[in-house]
Amino acid sequence: EPEVTQTPSHQVTQMGQEVILRCVPISNHLYFYWYRQILGQKVEFLVSFYNNEISEKSEIFDDQFSVERPDGSNFTLKIRSTKLEDSAMYFCASRATGVNSPLHFGNGTRLTVT
Amino acid sequence: AQSVSQHNHHVILSEAASLELGCNYSYGGTVNLFWYVQYPGQHLQLLLKYFSGDPLVKGIKGFEAEFIKSKFSFNLRKPSVQWSDTAEYFCAMPWEMFSGGYNKLIFGAGTRLAVHP
Repeated sequence: EPEVTQTPSHQVTQMGQEVILRCVPISNHLYFYWYRQILGQKVEFLVSFYNNEISEKSEIFDDQFSVERPDGSNFTLKIRSTKLEDSAMYFCASRATGVNSPLHFGNGTRLTVT
Repeated sequence: AQSVSQHNHHVILSEAASLELGCNYSYGGTVNLFWYVQYPGQHLQLLLKYFSGDPLVKGIKGFEAEFIKSKFSFNLRKPSVQWSDTAEYFCAMPWEMFSGGYNKLIFGAGTRLAVHP
């Protein structure tokens, strides 16, 4: 079964550094998402992306965050200047077209900001 | 406003016990609902989904959920749990659906289930 893949699985960075989290969505999916989960807390929506533009974003997704689909397969999340509170598990997800299409999640990238 | 709530934050059961995890939603329109499971250290996996039709939905690994519109609920059930069901369970619903689907899936706070042998 096709799956969403994310790299790296774990990223450690210093406060103020830029990080790029990478995702390869399922190949025939057109809708892409980033979620994050701070340890022990709920799954929080960050942003959705369709047709090369952001469809929806949360208040968490401020100017420090950006997303890009640089080619036909990758979908990236960039954090320009990381803060300690950005430490979390970041999940990429994708789905097919249609109201009954569930999100398919990747295994996540654990980001640790020191 | 649309919301999903899960009131049981932690549930502890013995193997073979029956399970029911609560999920309530707030929304006046057409409702689509999902249950996801997150095993320790893993990603979110779809357990089951409800879109229309039979309100009793069967999913993977022996789970089922019943959509009760009058109660705004979509509770997850399993007649006999196993140690391997230890995980966190999330109820979710799409936010503002359109013909292509939805731009956001909102999650409940999750219920941590621990099953003891």
